[in-house]
Amino acid sequence: LAKTTQPISMDSYEGQEVNITCSHNNIATNDYITWYQQFPSQGPRFIIQGYKTKVTNEVASLFIPADRKSSTLSLPRVSLSDTAVYYCLVGDRNYQLIWGAGTKLIIKP
Amino acid sequence: GAGVSQSPRYKVTKRGQDVALRCDPISGHVSLYWYRQALGQGPEFLTYFNYEAQQDKSGLPNDRFSAERPEGSISTLTIQRTEQRDSAMYRCASSLGHIPQETQYFGPGTRLLVL
Repeated sequence: LAKTTQPISMDSYEGQEVNITCSHNNIATNDYITWYQQFPSQGPRFIIQGYKTKVTNEVASLFIPADRKSSTLSLPRVSLSDTAVYYCLVGDRNYQLIWGAGTKLIIKP
Repeated sequence: GAGVSQSPRYKVTKRGQDVALRCDPISGHVSLYWYRQALGQGPEFLTYFNYEAQQDKSGLPNDRFSAERPEGSISTLTIQRTEQRDSAMYRCASSLGHIPQETQYFGPGTRLLVL
């Protein structure tokens, strides 16, 4: 199973773009990369998923370089409500997803 | 229902007692997952079901933990002879399809405290 590494915490300010990078050096050919967001006292919530290049939805973008050994979650123009823990997960259809400790993002006014 | 529900939301029990935690997934969702989450940590996989079949129980810590989903909908996670180290948030998630990569929708969790 691929292991992920992401920063323990990050700070930013309202209105800024935030990029959280996750490394997954031993990602396998069939692995997808998935990001979840978790607020205090709530369960994780799916943000975005990708396999290669770039994926964008209404809340975030996911950039995946050609070697797929890392990925970057990009949150445009963050607000205070984006303060949360963000998890990067890697896995394929046959394996359970392994959750790390996540990145605690704090947005300041 | 609109989302995944879990009951009870909080459970306080004495060491040695059995507890049963319930998960009601989103209607029509094939897969159901159980996780345990310690404070400041990501969810720790326990087990998951496709319909009523338990696909993977490799994450269950020991034989005091068991889970069932007899009719392919509601699931119960049972912990026998609880110990203080079992205290944690227990989360349930469901997904529409049958593979772990699909979007998982999480319930609010059950906070278990073993005294």
